[in-house]
Amino acid sequence: DARVTQTPRDKVTEMGQEVTMRCQPILGHNTVFWYRQTMMQGLELLAYFRNRAPLDDSGMPKDRFSAEMPDATLATLKIQPSEPRDSAVYFCASGDRGSTEAFFGQGTRLTVV
Amino acid sequence: GEDVEQSLFLSVREGDSSVINCTYTDSSSTYLYWYKQEPGAGLQLLTYIFSNMDMKQDQRLTVLLNKKDKHLSLRIADTQTGDSAIYFCAESSDSGGGADGLTFGKGTHLIIQP
Repeated sequence: DARVTQTPRDKVTEMGQEVTMRCQPILGHNTVFWYRQTMMQGLELLAYFRNRAPLDDSGMPKDRFSAEMPDATLATLKIQPSEPRDSAVYFCASGDRGSTEAFFGQGTRLTVV
Repeated sequence: GEDVEQSLFLSVREGDSSVINCTYTDSSSTYLYWYKQEPGAGLQLLTYIFSNMDMKQDQRLTVLLNKKDKHLSLRIADTQTGDSAIYFCAESSDSGGGADGLTFGKGTHLIIQP
């Protein structure tokens, strides 16, 4: 059963700490998206990659956020240093070239205290 | 920039039809989607429609698109308690290599009354 896997599912950290969220896209998918969900802003696109190259990261605060794809099976989203306003659920999604559908992971719930 | 608007809540009686509405502003939208999110879960794609279509039906779900008015609706026939969730409208364009990132509405909470 192919699915997008995100780790960790939940993360509580103190302000100022580094946070790394991981995503394993569906095997063979060439596009990976990172979204953030908050009550106030809803779902926002942070960044996405196609064939491991960043296509658009305009939704991401550049000073503290970074997104990478070290290889085709792993995408990471890092926040350094973390702040309470970063508390949200972070979703990864993957899609296939020519496909209209993005498959979402279960999300990482981040709480920064 | 792109904007997708939906009402925040919809309450219906079990067995009735639910109609969730959405408007969008990006005239270059290629694909329009409906996603469902249950509590504590990720987003599940329910259905999508190409911008050159005006209707799509899939079992209990009917999607209507009025491209002129940039209005999208999702009708759920015979609404059941398992349909209780947040429903997100989303749009994307296509830069030629597949769908680009989605722009989501804030979501409509569907509440089912017994």
